[in-house]
Amino acid sequence: GAVVSQHPSRVICKSGTSVKIECRSLDFQATTMFWYRQFPKQSLMLMATSNEGSKATYEQGVEKDKFLINHASLTLSTLTVTSAHPEDSSFYICSASTTRGGLGNQPQHFGDGTRLSIL
Amino acid sequence: TQLLEQSPQFLSIQEGENLTVYCNSSSVFSSLQWYRQEPGEGPVLLVTVVTGGEVKKLKRLTFQFGDARKDSSLHITAAQPGDTGLYLCAGPKGSSNYKLTFGKGTLLTVNP
Repeated sequence: GAVVSQHPSRVICKSGTSVKIECRSLDFQATTMFWYRQFPKQSLMLMATSNEGSKATYEQGVEKDKFLINHASLTLSTLTVTSAHPEDSSFYICSASTTRGGLGNQPQHFGDGTRLSIL
Repeated sequence: TQLLEQSPQFLSIQEGENLTVYCNSSSVFSSLQWYRQEPGEGPVLLVTVVTGGEVKKLKRLTFQFGDARKDSSLHITAAQPGDTGLYLCAGPKGSSNYKLTFGKGTLLTVNP
């Protein structure tokens, strides 16, 4: 089955640090990748959608300058949390799909998430 | 706004019991998906239902899509400790057919 690798799995860093999270599709080309945020015992909240080679589309209320997304290739998307603060601590999950908007319900394949803790 | 309401929020049962969890909305969905998520991991897709009234079975799990495509249920027969996890339902977000909106999930604990 389709495999999505997310790295690192856990990050602990000081307030003010910028943190980069990588999401890779290992055995398929992901035209679209999604970034979610999940608080403890809560649901996944979609932050942004990125299509390879174009700018990410952010959901309402998500600061694009705070959460920088790059999707430079069909197998890699990165999320950079800039100048992270304790309130940014959360579980960040990426998913990847072969769908490029409007082409129907292709399944999303999820990474195992990154636990970000800002001290 | 399309909201998916899941109930119960928490469920703790003994091994061997049966259970049903629900996913309800006031909106019509073209399809719904069910995922299971274990602590510290990403969600894993269990099933996608697309036709009103559809019933799908996955071993001891039975999924049903409501006739009006506004609700879905997941029934587990003879639950096992390995079924423990957060069960999430998800559907297309707004008019998009590739973005997903998730319910808040049912956290199931099956005790040995």
